[in-house]
Amino acid sequence: DVVLTQSPLSLPVTVGQPASISCRSSQSLVLSDGNTYLDWYQQRPGQSPRRLIYRVSKRDSGVPDRFSGGGSGTDFTLKISRVEADDVGVYYCMQGAHWPPYTFGPGTKVDLK
Amino acid sequence: EVQLVESGGGLVQPGGSLRLSCAGSGFSFSDFYFGWVRQAPGKGLEWVAHIAHRHDSYSTQFAASVRGRFTISRDDAKNSVSLQMDGLGTEDTAVYYCVREAWYSFDRCGQGTRVTVSS
Repeated sequence: DVVLTQSPLSLPVTVGQPASISCRSSQSLVLSDGNTYLDWYQQRPGQSPRRLIYRVSKRDSGVPDRFSGGGSGTDFTLKISRVEADDVGVYYCMQGAHWPPYTFGPGTKVDLK
Repeated sequence: EVQLVESGGGLVQPGGSLRLSCAGSGFSFSDFYFGWVRQAPGKGLEWVAHIAHRHDSYSTQFAASVRGRFTISRDDAKNSVSLQMDGLGTEDTAVYYCVREAWYSFDRCGQGTRVTVSS
């Protein structure tokens, strides 16, 4: 199974400042179709997960443009250009390239300093 | 508006069974794959099961941790997908989320239903 590791696991942030989360895969997530199947999900406290980014860098409808995804192969990053209080929660990366099983990273907890 | 609404969670004794349901609305249900993802208390997300649509013969896949104990099914006429859970253990205690799959990704997620396995 593909193992995803995230860093940091805890990220205290300041409103208005940038933030970045790394996700590293044990295998390349590029498929023969040329696409890379790595997503980012946000789970706010007490809520269900919500997809923010799919295929590395495609933002879901309604997701603020302060969220951006990047990377390639086995190394990926979620960036928040200017953190807002509403961004508090846990962020998970997930791979769909080598399923089953779909696998998630351990999550990065983002909270305010 | 796309909605997935889970139901059927509750308290069950070890070794018991439970059937979860997920009702979809606001989209063409039969065109999509579906799955279940769970989250144990204070833990991360774990994929549990998948079911394809009619064009892929409603094929199913399961996580190793539930294979042989859980089954997944769907009723496109009722816009619903179900997860039958047998032989439940305390390790199955979690919130179970119904997810809509699109291109190896989960583009929608329900609000979840809580399953507690305890004597």
